[in-house]
Amino acid sequence: DQQVKQNSPSLSVQEGRISILNCDYTNSMFDYFLWYKKYPAEGPTFLISISSIKDKNEDGRFTVFLNKSAKHLSLHIVPSQPGDSAVYFCAASVYRGADGLTFGKGTHLIIQP
Amino acid sequence: DVKVTQSSRYLVKRTGEKVFLECVQDMDHENMFWYRQDPGLGLRLIYFSYDVKMKEKGDIPEGYSVSREKKERFSLILESASTNQTSMYLCASSSVIRGNYGYTFGSGTRLTVV
Repeated sequence: DQQVKQNSPSLSVQEGRISILNCDYTNSMFDYFLWYKKYPAEGPTFLISISSIKDKNEDGRFTVFLNKSAKHLSLHIVPSQPGDSAVYFCAASVYRGADGLTFGKGTHLIIQP
Repeated sequence: DVKVTQSSRYLVKRTGEKVFLECVQDMDHENMFWYRQDPGLGLRLIYFSYDVKMKEKGDIPEGYSVSREKKERFSLILESASTNQTSMYLCASSSVIRGNYGYTFGSGTRLTVV
């Protein structure tokens, strides 16, 4: 059973506009959530994280929102840039990440010029 | 910067071969992990280790084993490679950063089993 779901395999956004990537989870024990960005033939790169005690975390152009009651989180990228084109993975964990991360299937973000 | 180094970027092995994938981290992290990434499936945890000589099964351990003889090195072993183990393999290490575990991934090993 998939515990972390990214229901959009791909997303196309115009350069300069906002990109919104969504993620749903089913395990109410998850207490730590992360977003990773991945280019082909490279390892995932950490973007931003949020603890379950918060509902928002911001880092430059990236903001993550957490809605615990809906078991939903989203990543906002404003403004979107060509270098943002990549696959984005949502990940979640229990025990603040001690036992490994559970990943979604990823969303391929394409930034159109 | 933490570095996680995977010894090979690309490997081609024959069915039935024993395959070793090596991973080394340079920041004295206790925890190390092996994932595989497949199109449409995301990253799935194979094995992880809390410390030297310790190992824990992840979500898909079948057909794999691991070895952690030194803190900085975590090896993934395919006892008898099969074509369904063709995949991108990613190693990661983690440590606590401001109360939560931060993960750093290696660049990956693209393994093809023929």
